[in-house]
Amino acid sequence: GQQLNQSPQSMFIQEGEDVSMNCTSSSIFNTWLWYKQDPGEGPVLLIALYKAGELTSNGRLTAQFGITRKDSFLNISASIPSDVGIYFCAGQRLGTSGSRLTFGEGTQLTVNP
Amino acid sequence: DSGVTQTPKHLITATGQRVTLRCSPRSGDLSVYWYQQSLDQGLQFLIQYYNGEERAKGNILERFSAQQFPDLHSELNLSSLELGDSALYFCASSVAAGAILETQYFGPGTRLLVL
Repeated sequence: GQQLNQSPQSMFIQEGEDVSMNCTSSSIFNTWLWYKQDPGEGPVLLIALYKAGELTSNGRLTAQFGITRKDSFLNISASIPSDVGIYFCAGQRLGTSGSRLTFGEGTQLTVNP
Repeated sequence: DSGVTQTPKHLITATGQRVTLRCSPRSGDLSVYWYQQSLDQGLQFLIQYYNGEERAKGNILERFSAQQFPDLHSELNLSSLELGDSALYFCASSVAAGAILETQYFGPGTRLLVL
């Protein structure tokens, strides 16, 4: 099935460092979302972006909806150990055939204390 | 806690068998979505139901089927199971049907292991 291209696949950082990850697609999305998944749990929504060019923050997290509507990035500032997990981008389209999410492959984040 | 519940949490079964996964959406949500997460395919959309009716279909095998009941809970039926069906199955729910963009909230998932 269609996937978004998410990079990097994994990151190993020290506590306190900033982190950046991004997603690109060959097609346009109306909404970009960023989810975090902890082991054995379901994805939890972090940030939702609804307009091209939109920049949204949620605490230490900042995400942007690319102006072309084909990409998005997520930044985490001053990382802490509990930021460990897998981060997924997801795109969503308006349409009469439902509003499925198309997910990226995920970025595995490891934070060393 | 997203408010979406899924049972069972774990399921171990044999090839050729049939299983049913259950999902209760958040209170007030009319749409239910099913996703499969496997190591090689990532998170893939399977199917969406809205207020009891099928709304959208994704990469769902013919051996799989789903339904949404009048109380809005949903079941995903997997039959003639194969080793490759081993995966995490997530249910998500949202308020409406997707005519407007609304957030999907995910349940904790059911981990299926086919031996």
